[in-house]
This record gives sequence, structure tokens and C-alpha cells, in this order.
Amino acid sequence: EPEVTQTPSHQVTQMGQEVILRCVPISNHLYFYWYRQILGQKVEFLVSFYNNEISEKSEIFDDQFSVERPDGSNFTLKIRSTKLEDSAMYFCASSARIDSPLHFGNGTRLTVT
Amino acid sequence: KQEVTQIPAALSVPEGENLVLNCSFTDSAIYNLQWFRQDPGKGLTSLLLIQSSQREQTSGRLNASLDKSSGRSTLYIAASQPGDSATYLCAVQTGANNLFFGTGTRLTVIP
Repeated sequence: EPEVTQTPSHQVTQMGQEVILRCVPISNHLYFYWYRQILGQKVEFLVSFYNNEISEKSEIFDDQFSVERPDGSNFTLKIRSTKLEDSAMYFCASSARIDSPLHFGNGTRLTVT
Repeated sequence: KQEVTQIPAALSVPEGENLVLNCSFTDSAIYNLQWFRQDPGKGLTSLLLIQSSQREQTSGRLNASLDKSSGRSTLYIAASQPGDSATYLCAVQTGANNLFFGTGTRLTVIP
């Protein structure tokens, strides 16, 4: 069964550095998402992406964050000038249609030191 | 703003028991409701999706119901097994095409 893949599984970075989290959505899906889960807290929506543009973003997704679909397969989340509070598990998801289930990757655990 | 609550936060049952997990949400204007399973350190596995016009969905030993007007959903697991041990998350999708998650119920099935 096709799945969403995320790399790396764990990323450690120093405060102030930039990180890029990578995702390969399911190939025939059209909607892409990033969510994050701070340890012990709820999974939170960050951003949705469709037709090569952001369709929705949360209050968390400020100017520090950006997303890109650089080619036909990858979907990336860039976090500039990382802060300690950016430490979390970041999940990528994709769906075929707006009303179909979201398929999630296994996540990237980001640790900012 | 949509708020999703799950009760109980943790549940421990002996193998073979049937159990019910509860989810409530504050805004009934939802697109659909999805139940996920999350194993420690892992991603989210979609179990069942109920469209807003539906009342329930079944998959194997799992049955999920939706009462949109009262803002409630239940996940029923029949004949529980140790392999069912995980955290179960409820999430509602709004018309803005994003999911609001609950805090989850951590289930332990004791052999």
C-alpha cells in the first residue's frame, strides 16, 4: 500500500539554525499538509497546500515557516531561525480529495538545543 | 474555535473485553470525523472516517458512530487484543480543510 514518507526521522539542530523537513506524499494525492505535535500535547494543524499554493494556515504558521513543492514528488517544510519551542514531532500528510482520509507519515522528531 | 475532547485519557482493560472511547467537539459544522491510532514514536494510522452525513462506519472489530448535532462520536472496539494497545485520536475536519485533534485516549489491553 502506498504511504507517505518523511525524512529524516530525527533531526537535531542548534537554536537559530534553519532546518528543512522533507516529505514524499502519496503519488496521486493532490492535498498536502503539515502538522506538529509537541510532546504530551495535541496534534496541531500548521498548513495545507493545494495546486501549488497554501490553501490554509494556522496561527502557528508565521513568517518563520514556509512550504514548498520543489518538484513533482517532494513537499518540504522550512523552519528558519529555530527556537527551543519548535522542538516537536512534525507530521506530513496527504489526501486524494478534500473529503477523503488524510494519510500521515511517521513524522520527523525535531530537537532544538 | 473548534475544541475536541476525548474521555477517558487512559484506559486499561483485560484482553477480550469490548470497550468504548468517547470524543466530543464543540462546533457541529464539520466536514467529517476521523479516528486514528498512534503507536509510541510513530505516525498516525487512519482507522475510520465518517462523513458528516453518515451515522457510523465499521471496519473489522471497530465501529465508529457520529452524532453531529450533539457533537459526539464513539469508537467501539470489540474483543480487544494486546495488539490494540495504542493511543487513539479523534479528529474533526472543518470546511477549511484542516483537522482538529483531541488529546487522545491511551489504551492498554492486558493479556
